[in-house]
Amino acid sequence: LAKTTQPISMDSYEGQEVNITCSHNNIATNDYITWYQQFPSQGPRFIIQGYKTKVTNEVASLFIPADRKSSTLSLPRVSLSDTAVYYCLVGGNTGRRALTFGSGTRLQVQP
Amino acid sequence: SAVISQKPSRDICQRGTSLTIQCQVDSQVTMMFWYRQQPGQSLTLIATANQGSEATYESGFVIDKFPISRPNLTFSTLTVSNMSPEDSSIYLCSVESGTWMTEAFFGQGTRLTVV
Repeated sequence: LAKTTQPISMDSYEGQEVNITCSHNNIATNDYITWYQQFPSQGPRFIIQGYKTKVTNEVASLFIPADRKSSTLSLPRVSLSDTAVYYCLVGGNTGRRALTFGSGTRLQVQP
Repeated sequence: SAVISQKPSRDICQRGTSLTIQCQVDSQVTMMFWYRQQPGQSLTLIATANQGSEATYESGFVIDKFPISRPNLTFSTLTVSNMSPEDSSIYLCSVESGTWMTEAFFGQGTRLTVV
């Protein structure tokens, strides 16, 4: 399983764009990159998933360079409600089906 | 998507006792997963539960301590046995979607405090 490294914490202000980068140097060919968000007292929630280049949905964008050894989750114009822990996960669609969570990034959005 | 209901949402238990956590899913799923999240920490997989077979436990977790039942495709239970304060954690049930192999859905969790 590819190990991921993320910043432990980040601070931002409302209305700013937040970029959280995750390193996964030993990502395998069939691995996808997935990001989850966890609010206090809740289970993690799927945000976005990608394999290469750029993926965008209504919540976030995911940028993946050509070598796929890192990825960046971009949250546009954050609000106080985006305060949460964000987890970067790397895994394939074969073999192990359970998720392996790293330490995550605790994002604190200030007014 | 899948909606997962966990019961209880929280409990305070005496050391030496056992607590059974229930996980109900609104659709049939092959695999269900149980995670533990210790205070301020990330999630750690306890075991994978398939219907009709014994659960598969991760290193550091044993069946005698965390027995799991999976009687049908929509329900599972995790029991935390002979509890000690070190078992104080959030326990989460999870299932994967059929759309994305690594997209999973989680219950709200059960916050367990052992005193």
